[in-house]
Amino acid sequence: DVKVTQSSRYLVKRTGEKVFLECVQDMDHENMFWYRQDPGLGLRLIYFSYDVKMKEKGDIPEGYSVSREKKERFSLILESASTNQTSMYLCASSQSRPGNYEQYFGPGTRLTVT
Amino acid sequence: DQQVKQNSPSLSVQEGRISILNCDYTNSMFDYFLWYKKYPAEGPTFLISISSIKDKNEDGRFTVFLNKSAKHLSLHIVPSQPGDSAVYFCAATKGYGNKLVFGAGTILRVKS
Repeated sequence: DVKVTQSSRYLVKRTGEKVFLECVQDMDHENMFWYRQDPGLGLRLIYFSYDVKMKEKGDIPEGYSVSREKKERFSLILESASTNQTSMYLCASSQSRPGNYEQYFGPGTRLTVT
Repeated sequence: DQQVKQNSPSLSVQEGRISILNCDYTNSMFDYFLWYKKYPAEGPTFLISISSIKDKNEDGRFTVFLNKSAKHLSLHIVPSQPGDSAVYFCAATKGYGNKLVFGAGTILRVKS
């Protein structure tokens, strides 16, 4: 079974703090993704990566950056946390293979910025 | 601009009856569609998918129907069970090398 793990289930940070969210997958997937989930808005893509050291902006990259130094690990960084970044953050991974679009998700990190 | 829309925020169904969750899309370039199920405090899990070359795909109690001319797909759950109570997300993609675009989700409650 594919396993995607996220470093924290719940996190509380103060406004202005730098926040690191880590994601690790164990299935040698090429693609990794960071989403945030908010009520009524569904899952919105923040950043994604098709390969080590590669990154692409998603639909809402402002206020975030990412790092992918190893294939299995994809980190999301909030440079200076703000209250509007309070959300559920979900990491996902997938194979890079035509016809295969299924993404496997981690359990999520509920981040609260006060 | 929401390219994938789930217009019903919630749906309540009696156990044993059919649940029908709907999804509309606006981008005619989408050629593959997926449904995900999400329980509280867990990540979404893949449920079923359909390619644009088909109009129906079935997996046990779950069937997805695609109407390309109407840009509409639906997920049927028969019979519905209390364990099906969750948030269901519809997603679409333009194919290989393209990202998934998700709808806002529909909360399904199955009453016993």
